[in-house]
Formats: sequence, structure tokens, C-alpha cells
Amino acid sequence: SYELTQPPSVSVSPGQTAMITCSGDVLARKYVRWFQQKPGQAPVLVIYKDRERPAGIPERFAGSSSGTTVTLTISGAQIEDEGDYYCLCATDKNVLFGGGTKVTIL
Amino acid sequence: QVHLVQSGAEVKKPGASVKVSCETFLYPFTSYSMHWVRQAPGQGLEWVGLINPDDGRTKYAPGLQDRVTVTSDASRFTVYLELRRLRSDDTAIYYCVRDLDGDDWWGPGTQVIVS
Repeated sequence: SYELTQPPSVSVSPGQTAMITCSGDVLARKYVRWFQQKPGQAPVLVIYKDRERPAGIPERFAGSSSGTTVTLTISGAQIEDEGDYYCLCATDKNVLFGGGTKVTIL
Repeated sequence: QVHLVQSGAEVKKPGASVKVSCETFLYPFTSYSMHWVRQAPGQGLEWVGLINPDDGRTKYAPGLQDRVTVTSDASRFTVYLELRRLRSDDTAIYYCVRDLDGDDWWGPGTQVIVS
């Protein structure tokens, strides 16, 4: 069965760059979406189709892809970027979430 | 603006069933799939299943497919999630999500406690 693997946590100082990876064999042929979730809130889409940014999402959020790994990069991370980030991939038979990455800005 | 209204919190005993509803507003009901995603306390997001309200086709997470049923009622613009033979690890917030892999829109979530 397919799985998506994310690091459990990433910590950066304000203004630095945070990079979150999502790995899985299926990613070689399927797009990924990235969601940000803050405590007590529903997730919010920040990247779709590996690298596209929805309207209203700051330019500091960027996505990239290489082989079976996709990466969410937050350039110049802000305090308000703290939260949990999840990658998602839809296959023909299933929808997969990564395990989530807790991003701490300290 | 799209609006999803979910039913209220539920407390169930192990072995019982629960049915959660998601009423939709202000978009063509049959034009978008509806997904269910759950999140156990302190845990990550887990996809549960989806329905295409246009033709009623469903897909389920492999680990839940023998206990879950997603249905829709176009006359009520409502999608339902039924989960049977509840266990303590089914305790979670259950979100309905319109078009999770497209023009997504999340409901507010329904707390289900199994105890």
C-alpha cells in the first residue's frame, strides 16, 4: 500500500527558511497538496499541484517536486506560520495524508 | 459563499453506530465530490471516504471500508457518514470536505466520542 512520509517536526527562527518534505513512491506520478492546520481550526490549503499557490496564500509559501519527494518551503518564516502541515495525494483508489509536520517558529 | 453545516457532537458506546450529517449550501450539490476526513485527539488527518453525489459512487479508506458507509440525499443537499461497530480509537473530529482534491471547502467538524 502507498504511504506518505513527513518529518515529525521542523523548527526555525523567524525570518529563516523552513523546508518540509513529503516522500512516497506514488509521488513520482501524482500531484501533492499541502495543508496548514492551526490548533482548533480546520486545515487550509497552501499549495496544490505540487507548486501552485491558491489566491490569498503569501508568496513565502512555495512547493517543489523531485522524483518521489515533494517539498514545501516557507521562506522568511513568520510567527503566524506555526502549525501542523500535511501533504495529501489522491490516487485512483485512495486518498493519502502524510503523518504531518509540526512547524515551530522560535 | 459555500457553507457546510455539520450535525452536533455525539457520544456513543463501543459497538454502537453513529451517523453524522453535512448539509450543503450555495453551490450545485451534484457538481462536487464530498469527502470525510477525521482527526483523533492530538493526531494527524485521516481520510475516511468520499461520495460523488452525481452518481452515488463511493470510495473508502481500506482500513475502514467494512465499517463505514457514505450516502447522499440530493433532495436535502446533505451527505451522511455512518460508522458502525465503534471503537475507542474512532474518537475524533469528523470533517466533511467538499472536493478535497480540487476546489476544497471544509466543514466545521463534528466531535464523536466513543466511551
